[in-house]
Amino acid sequence: GESVGLHLPTLSVQEGDNSIINCAYSNSASDYFIWYKQESGKGPQFIIDIRSNMDKRQGQRVTVLLNKTVKHLSLQIAATQPGDSAVYFCAEMDGGATNKLIFGTGTLLAVQP
Amino acid sequence: DAGVTQSPTHLIKTRGQQVTLRCSPISGHKSVSWYQQVLGQGPQFIFQYYEKEERGRGNFPDRFSARQFPNYSSELNVNALLLGDSALYLCASSLGGALMTYEQYFGPGTRLTVT
Repeated sequence: GESVGLHLPTLSVQEGDNSIINCAYSNSASDYFIWYKQESGKGPQFIIDIRSNMDKRQGQRVTVLLNKTVKHLSLQIAATQPGDSAVYFCAEMDGGATNKLIFGTGTLLAVQP
Repeated sequence: DAGVTQSPTHLIKTRGQQVTLRCSPISGHKSVSWYQQVLGQGPQFIFQYYEKEERGRGNFPDRFSARQFPNYSSELNVNALLLGDSALYLCASSLGGALMTYEQYFGPGTRLTVT
């Protein structure tokens, strides 16, 4: 399949290690943030979200941290598995009349067995 | 439960032609958004529709248009195709409504190649 990972920052980790993917967002008025996973040839898959009134949210093997002071978002994946290999995008939403998502550049996560 | 479906999966057109892409949202979802994803970049917002009305439009030329039908499915039309329109076109559905719930779920996309 065609890769969406060309020209993207790459994070290479060993299977079983923890991964941390970082994202800087642009709009201080954004009040909702989502992390998506996109595998080659597929649409983005929802992973986890967080609202601006929170600074941390945990899911299954994933944690999202939000630092509004520096407009920074991170996704932590515990015990990274080969199936986690994909491009990860953060997206922000300003909660206006149109709930449009503004996506970051994306990070390619490569898990080495 | 069926997720968001899009058709066709792949399409090849020549410059100057017109194309129509189709999207069916998740059952019960009333809002559909369209995004363009150029290779190596994140998706860019094109349109959002809710209850057949346009709720938002991104920074795209008038060659791009869309509509939503009573069954909440949607079509994206692009006229006078340019080479730069080659991209993955993604449809996302969400509940919409008074609470304008935020979660958006994406379909697999339509890969458009313009030659």
